Amino acid sequence: SQQGEEDPQALSIQEGENATMNCSYKTSINNLQWYRQNSGRGLVHLILIRSNEREKHSGRLRVTLDTSKKSSSLLITASRAADTASYFCATDGGNNRLAFGKGNQVVVIP
Amino acid sequence: NAGVMQNPRHLVRRRGQEARLRCSPMKGHSHVYWYRQLPEEGLKFMVYLQKENIIDESGMPKERFSAEFPKEGPSILRIQQVVRGDSAAYFCASSSTSGANYEQYFGPGTRLTVT
Repeated sequence: SQQGEEDPQALSIQEGENATMNCSYKTSINNLQWYRQNSGRGLVHLILIRSNEREKHSGRLRVTLDTSKKSSSLLITASRAADTASYFCATDGGNNRLAFGKGNQVVVIP
Repeated sequence: NAGVMQNPRHLVRRRGQEARLRCSPMKGHSHVYWYRQLPEEGLKFMVYLQKENIIDESGMPKERFSAEFPKEGPSILRIQQVVRGDSAAYFCASSSTSGANYEQYFGPGTRLTVT
């Protein structure tokens, strides 16, 4: 079964810097979604990118998708302390079951 | 517009007891999904339901776990005779429809601790 896997697993950056994390998956997908989870809280939906899209923006977020390499990246520009969280990618192969990676812990130092 | 609601937020059960987790989807959403998250792990799909129907339960353990989404009221995830390994965060998500390219919106989760 397909499963997103994020890389790097943990990232520590200074406020104002950009944060980039990658996600790889194994099988074909309909879309890929990125979520944020603050410690001990629920998941917040950030962005969905369809399999026929290559790039998508939402505020300070930029997501790319390369279906030939089965990979996606999430870029957070001008990071803030409030961006400290775990970030998950999840793939949807068309069966409505999201397959999540283990998550990517981002710490933004004020 | 209220989001996905889950209760209780925290649940403590002794081994052998039953746990009932409730999920009310977003207004207008008729598709509900349950996921389980173990510590330091990503979420794992358990079950997908529509009103009065289980569409896909391939991620749910065959024994002790059951789920329902009745015509009226919230979706219920029921765990009978809980064991320590059931301790996890259980998340519910909902979507407005099925098919490709519809976002799933998640609730705050229920953290189950089995003592």
